[in-house]
Parts: sequence; C-alpha cells; structure tokens
Amino acid sequence: AQTVTQSQPEMSVQEAETVTLSCTYDTSESDYYLFWYKQPPSRQMILVIRQEAYKQQNATENRFSVNFQKAAKSFSLKISDSQLGDAAMYFCAYRSAWDWGGSEKLVFGKGTKLTVNP
Amino acid sequence: GAVVSQHPSRVICKSGTSVKIECRSLDFQATTMFWYRQFPKQSLMLMATSNEGSKATYEQGVEKDKFLINHASLTLSTLTVTSAHPEDSSFYICSASALRGAPGDEQFFGPGTRLTVL
Repeated sequence: AQTVTQSQPEMSVQEAETVTLSCTYDTSESDYYLFWYKQPPSRQMILVIRQEAYKQQNATENRFSVNFQKAAKSFSLKISDSQLGDAAMYFCAYRSAWDWGGSEKLVFGKGTKLTVNP
Repeated sequence: GAVVSQHPSRVICKSGTSVKIECRSLDFQATTMFWYRQFPKQSLMLMATSNEGSKATYEQGVEKDKFLINHASLTLSTLTVTSAHPEDSSFYICSASALRGAPGDEQFFGPGTRLTVL
C-alpha cells in the first residue's frame, strides 16, 4: 500500500518570504499522480498543484511550485512571496494512475500547518 | 470550477439517533464519491468509496452497518450515521470525481459537515 509522509507538523514564514513544505511517499508503482491540497480555517479543501509522475518537468502554478524527485520519492512544495492568505493546513496526496473513471482514491499525508507572520 | 455541496453544514443530535448527510455535485456528474472523516488537527481519513448504482467499498475498520452510504444518482451520495454516539462526533467531508474522469483529474471537495452527538 502507498504511504505519504509529511515530516513537518508545523512551519512558519514571514510575509513575502519563501517557504518549502516537505513530502515523501512510498510506492511500487511507476505511474501515479501527486497533489498538494490546502485546507484553510474554513475547512474547504482546495487543490494547489498537481504533478504527473511520468513528467519530469516540475509543476508550477503562479507562486506555487514543486520539486519532484521521482527516484527519491520526494515531492516538496515551494511557496514564494508568501501571503497572509496562504496560512492553512497543507496536505500532500498520492493517487494511482491505474484506474480510470475516477474511482482511485487519494492517500493523504498528515499535513503541515503553515503560519504566515506579518 | 466544479462545485460540490454538503448538507447540512452542522448538525447536533442526541445519542442513539440517526443522521443523514447529503453530498451533491452541482454542475457535473460524478461517477465516484468519497467520504472522509477528519478529527481536529488531523488528516482526512477515507471511510468509503461509492460508485453510482453499486455498493460502497468501505475502508478497513469502518463499520458498514453504522455508516450507510447510498449513491443513487450521478449527482447525489448520502452518508447515514446510524445510532450515533458521542465518539462519532467529527467533521465529515465528501469529494467527487467527474464521470469518465482520469486519475490525474481533480477531486472536488464539499465544504464538510460538522457532526456533534450529545
């Protein structure tokens, strides 16, 4: 079974600075997807960024980018120019690519609580 | 983007009663819906996966007779907590995958339902 590990329960960053959240995973599959989700105090889960394992290029979405190291099974999230609205729980998640039709489940890490200091 | 709603957002009930939580995909058809449980300051724990028109698949350790899931249409899934007890108090979140979606496609999350059992 796949597992996702987030080793940083809490992180803090100054506004406008850059922070990196760590995520490692364990799988025997070669094809899969990785996601970072944000859960603000409202508890609504929001997709931040996704990465396809067969793509070597790291995904980028505006101020959010990932460092995907497939051999090391590492998938870190970098947030640049941090804003107060970035404060939230961040969850790393894994999804197998084997099953189409949407039924393959997400495997979540335990989360990292990010605090942004003004 | 696609919207998933949950109703009710909050519910308080007495011990021994049953509570139904609805999850609806508002602007898309969902082949599969997922039900999660989240304890305070913890990650999402998958309870079950439901596919339209078929029985739900429950995760190990989740009582099927206690958490009844029905996915009667491509836009509605319900979770019924039967004979609720205080230990069932939690935050319940549903998510949905679009019809004929790919594994890398986004799962859309509902806003969650806070259940308190007195």
